[in-house]
Order: sequence, then structure tokens, then C-alpha cells
Amino acid sequence: AQSVTQPDIHITVSEGASLELRCNYSYGATPYLFWYVQSPGQGLQLLLKYFSGDTLVQGIKGFEAEFKRSQSSFNLRKPSVHWSDAAEYFCAVGARGGYQKVTFGTGTKLQVIP
Amino acid sequence: GAVVSQHPSWVICKSGTSVKIECRSLDFQATTMFWYRQFPKQSLMLMATSNEGSKATYEQGVEKDKFLINHASLTLSTLTVTSAHPEDSSFYICSARTGTSVPEQYFGPGTRLTVT
Repeated sequence: AQSVTQPDIHITVSEGASLELRCNYSYGATPYLFWYVQSPGQGLQLLLKYFSGDTLVQGIKGFEAEFKRSQSSFNLRKPSVHWSDAAEYFCAVGARGGYQKVTFGTGTKLQVIP
Repeated sequence: GAVVSQHPSWVICKSGTSVKIECRSLDFQATTMFWYRQFPKQSLMLMATSNEGSKATYEQGVEKDKFLINHASLTLSTLTVTSAHPEDSSFYICSARTGTSVPEQYFGPGTRLTVT
């Protein structure tokens, strides 16, 4: 079965600083990979996804993520964080085939300080 | 595009009653919809996968007689929490897939259920 680990429960960065959120997955083959963002009391918004091809993917709001097969990682990055980026971020892995079930990590809460 | 709505956004019900939550895909046809449950400060737990016109597939540990899921059309799925109890209080989120070959899901805004 697939699984996702987000080792950082909570991260605090200063506005304007760079950001990297870690994500490691376990899956028997190359999975589908996603990053979602959730604001308090809201649903999830897709930031970016990796299906195949170029391992560096660009998303919305200036985010990018890099798939590293050798490390089973899909870390999310942003060069300069804005106060509005404060939210909960979820990494997710999707199975290829069947119902293409998606499994979510436990989330990383991002706090941005001025 | 790919907008999913949920109704209601929040609901309070008394213990022992049933409550229905609707999930609609507004600008696309969703052959597959998913229902998740999220406890405070925790991740999303998949409850069930529903395909239009067929019975839902429930995850292990989810009571199918308690959480009734109906996916009667390509744009509507409903989750009915039957005989609700305080421990059913949670944030319920639905999502929909735009196609059978596309694994990404689009999420609704969620429904906060409080059982008193």
C-alpha cells in the first residue's frame, strides 16, 4: 500500500524567505504526486502535480516541486514566501490503476511572520 | 473550471437524527467522487469512493450502513450520516475526478458537522 510522510508538522518562515516543505512517499512504482493547500475551514486547492516527464514541476502561486525517484521525495519549494501563503500543505500520492486511490500525508502547517 | 460545491457548509443536528450532505460538480461530469473525513489538525481520511450508477466502495473500518453514499448522476453525490452521534462530528470533504484516466481530484469546500 502507498504511504506519504511529511516530517515537518509545523514550519515558521519570515516573509520573503525561501521555503521548502518535505515529502517522502512509499509506492511500488512511480506514483502520481500532488501538493494541495488548505486554508482554515476550507477545502483543498491543488497547487501542482507530477504524472510523468520533467521532474521539476511548476504550480500556481509561484510554487514548484521536484520529483526525485532515488530519494522517493517530492519536496515543495517557493523562493519568496508571502504572508498569504500561511496555510496547511498536504502532499499526496496517487496509485496508478484501479480507483487511483490518493493517500494524503499528515500535513505541514506553515506560519509566516512579518 | 473543475469546481466542486458542497451543501450545506455547516450543519448542527441532534444525536440520533440523520443528515445529508450534497456534493456537486458544477462545470464537469464526475464519474468518480470521493468522500473524506478530516479531524481537527489531522489529515484527510478516505471514507469511500463512489462511481456514478454503482455502489460505493468503502474503506476498511467505515460503516457503510452508517455513512450512506449515493451517486445518482454524473454531477451529484450525497453522503447521509444516519443516526448521528457526537463522535460523528467532523469536517467532511468531497472531491471529484474529471475523468477515468486523470487521477487528480478537485475538492469541495467541506461541510462542518456538529452532532449535539
